[in-house]
Amino acid sequence: GAVVSQHPSWVICKSGTSVKIECRSLDFQATTMFWYRQFPKQSLMLMATSNEGSKATYEQGVEKDKFLINHASLTLSTLTVTSAHPEDSSFYICSAQRGAGEQFFGPGTRLTVL
Amino acid sequence: AQSVSQHNHHVILSEAASLELGCNYSYGGTVNLFWYVQYPGQHLQLLLKYFSGDPLVKGIKGFEAEFIKSKFSFNLRKPSVQWSDTAEYFCAVSGGGYNKLIFGAGTRLAVHP
Repeated sequence: GAVVSQHPSWVICKSGTSVKIECRSLDFQATTMFWYRQFPKQSLMLMATSNEGSKATYEQGVEKDKFLINHASLTLSTLTVTSAHPEDSSFYICSAQRGAGEQFFGPGTRLTVL
Repeated sequence: AQSVSQHNHHVILSEAASLELGCNYSYGGTVNLFWYVQYPGQHLQLLLKYFSGDPLVKGIKGFEAEFIKSKFSFNLRKPSVQWSDTAEYFCAVSGGGYNKLIFGAGTRLAVHP
């Protein structure tokens, strides 16, 4: 199977600090990775599409300067939440796409901003 | 606007009961449809998908779904649920393969022994 990991699984930070979340495809190369955000009892909302070696494509309403995405290699994409505020507290989930095929999801990262 | 609606937020069933979870979508053009499952403490997994062809799609673990184009629906069914089916189920749609999935709000299923 295809395995996607995220690190950390949970993080608590102070308001105003930045937090980096890593998404790795462990046993396959992923040209494309996706970042989602999930609020409690709500659906996953696509934040951005990350393509290796190029700039991420952000969905409408997602601040690209606040949610920095870097897809530096075919197995790693990072999401940095800059100057985090309590309203950024959420569950962040990544997925990695094998070729043009199925997206495989990571276990998610729970971010709490105090 | 593109959207996915799942009618039931919470469903409680006894083992061996039949299951049907509703999913309706609003999407212009060709659609690809998916059902994902998230077991407690685990990541999202693909249950089944519809791209084209037979509108009755069979997935893993005995699940199936039927694409009814005229009703913009893609309901998930299982004839006899098990306790291990306790999970959250998400319907999703895309306009091109697996790219840019749009998810419904999810349905939390609890199966009692």
